[in-house]
Amino acid sequence: GDSVTQMEGPVTLSEEAFLTINCTYTATGYPSLFWYVQYPGEGLQLLLKATKADDKGSNKGFEATYRKETTSFHLEKGSVQVSDSAVYFCALRTGSNYQLIWGAGTKLIIKP
Amino acid sequence: NAGVTQTPKFQVLKTGQSMTLQCAQDMNHNSMYWYRQDPGMGLRLIYYSASEGTTDKGEVPNGYNVSRLNKREFSLRLESAAPSQTSVYFCASSEGISALHSGNTIYFGEGSWLTVV
Repeated sequence: GDSVTQMEGPVTLSEEAFLTINCTYTATGYPSLFWYVQYPGEGLQLLLKATKADDKGSNKGFEATYRKETTSFHLEKGSVQVSDSAVYFCALRTGSNYQLIWGAGTKLIIKP
Repeated sequence: NAGVTQTPKFQVLKTGQSMTLQCAQDMNHNSMYWYRQDPGMGLRLIYYSASEGTTDKGEVPNGYNVSRLNKREFSLRLESAAPSQTSVYFCASSEGISALHSGNTIYFGEGSWLTVV
């Protein structure tokens, strides 16, 4: 079945460091891919998405490129801030399966 | 711009008690969902409603019931709460659920923290 695998956390970085959170997937068909973010004590928010191969989603300095050949959708940011501390979820959704399939989440801790 | 609103935000229940989580969306969305979030796991779908008047089981429906009261509202009921139902519950909605809309964004409420003792 469809699945999403994320790197385990927590990931701890210093402010202004480069961030990569890995996400790979298995899916039948052509999924849409999403990154959601959950700040402490809040609900999930859509961070960015990509609906077809080679698309790049971007928002708030974060980017992720839909790589069909490596079945990946890694999240990157060039210079993280303390305010980026949150849990990040990778997810996919296919046309044949209305459900969102979620990764387990990666907790990101940014130290000043 | 309320989006998806769910209540209560926090609740403590005793084993065997019942309660209902309320959810409403003001985006005129057709589809609504209830998820639970547990540590180290992704969100798991409990029930969903593809459109007004329909409800279906998701991945983990046991111990729960739902009601799609109208297009705006979708409630989740725990008839006899168990400690295993301690979790964070998220209501969500989207424009549609059909295969033609695989890029639809799903909008989430802020979550309801439920503890069953």
